[in-house]
Amino acid sequence: KQEVTQIPAALSVPEGENLVLNCSFTDSAIYNLQWFRQDPGKGLTSLLLIQSSQREQTSGRLNASLDKSSGRSTLYIAASQPGDSATYLCAVWAGNQFYFGTGTSLTVIP
Amino acid sequence: GAGVSQSPSNKVTEKGKDVELRCDPISGHTALYWYRQSLGQGLEFLIYFQGNSAPDKSGLPSDRFSAERTGGSVSTLTIQRTQQEDSAVYLCASSYTSSSSYNSPLHFGNGTRLTVT
Repeated sequence: KQEVTQIPAALSVPEGENLVLNCSFTDSAIYNLQWFRQDPGKGLTSLLLIQSSQREQTSGRLNASLDKSSGRSTLYIAASQPGDSATYLCAVWAGNQFYFGTGTSLTVIP
Repeated sequence: GAGVSQSPSNKVTEKGKDVELRCDPISGHTALYWYRQSLGQGLEFLIYFQGNSAPDKSGLPSDRFSAERTGGSVSTLTIQRTQQEDSAVYLCASSYTSSSSYNSPLHFGNGTRLTVT
């Protein structure tokens, strides 16, 4: 069974710092990987989707990379802002369902 | 609609009662998913629909849980004889396709917070 792990579980950084969130998965047979953001009391908002044939995707200050062979993805956030504070989850699509990590709770301190 | 809509947003029920949760996916989305998120836990897969059929029901926790989807659109998740351990946020998501060549992002609703007293 696919297992998705996110490290660290929580992260606190001062405003303006660049940061990296990590996601690892045990089975490299995935079709895509998606990063989400979840604000308290809300659903998940899709940030970036990387197809299995791609190496990275960028959207504004966000850059996600995928190394399928090693079972790893990173989400890079540049010049962090207090509004980036949220829980970030990664999920892999394995053909039958999405498998989610437990998330990294990010706090950006003004 | 503009996004995935779930109702009710909050539901408090007594142990033993039945509840019905509703999900209205984005228009045209063929795939629909139900997940459960308990406090401090990750997302637990419950069931997914491709059109009106449910190829994967493996995540339903017990036979008290059932789900249906009609007209390839609205879905309802029903929990019979609710128990306190059913308390969680139930999230619905939809996407254009669920095939192996999936490349469409997953869109979530804001969830239904269920509290069983």
